Amino acid sequence: EVQLVESGGGLVQPGRSLRLSCTASGFTFGDYAMSWVRQAPGKGLEWVGFIRSKAYGGTTEYAASVKGRFTISRDDSESIAYLQMNSLKTEDTAVYYCSRDLDTARAFDIWGQGTMVTVSS
Amino acid sequence: EIVLTQSPATLSLSPGERATLSCRASQSVSSYLAWYQQKPGQAPRLLIYDASNRATGIPARFSGSGSGTDFTLTISSLEPEDFAVYYCQQRSNWPRGTFGQGTKVEIK
Repeated sequence: EVQLVESGGGLVQPGRSLRLSCTASGFTFGDYAMSWVRQAPGKGLEWVGFIRSKAYGGTTEYAASVKGRFTISRDDSESIAYLQMNSLKTEDTAVYYCSRDLDTARAFDIWGQGTMVTVSS
Repeated sequence: EIVLTQSPATLSLSPGERATLSCRASQSVSSYLAWYQQKPGQAPRLLIYDASNRATGIPARFSGSGSGTDFTLTISSLEPEDFAVYYCQQRSNWPRGTFGQGTKVEIK
């Protein structure tokens, strides 16, 4: 079964850091780009960032709202994508989803169940 | 940044009725438009990509149309499990993209 499972969410104080993990199974993780998408409580969806497959350089891109604070990386040997979040703000409070990013379709075809991040003092 | 505006915000319909959801872009996104369904407490699910292509396993009652700035998601006959929130998403400047604010399809 093709699956993504996020972990690492929790309660964190403003200004602190948190790292989320996304563990993939059921497909060849290294062949795919991955994206992170978040959803604030009761709100819509926001694309956070993206990492290409190693075949395309493994480069990253970020939304303006997180650029310079968030970093996406990947470990293809473990089939894990990471979202390192630094200098967290209260407005970063959201459910964070990882998703498989299909460049051919320009869409997210597989999603994890999400992990909640709450930034509060 | 391209803004997507979905209408209506809420659609109240009965099972068996036809649902027509609209998504309008502030500038052309060609056909780089996807639709997602989200139920409470669940992750979104891809329904349509490239404006009109159904994703794997999506029933034929879901269809998408449009190009440029105006797009439509049609559910030909609503099933009980179709009552949810629907989001459109553009990625004309892939991998960057934006989502619409969502349309809630509720039971009348």
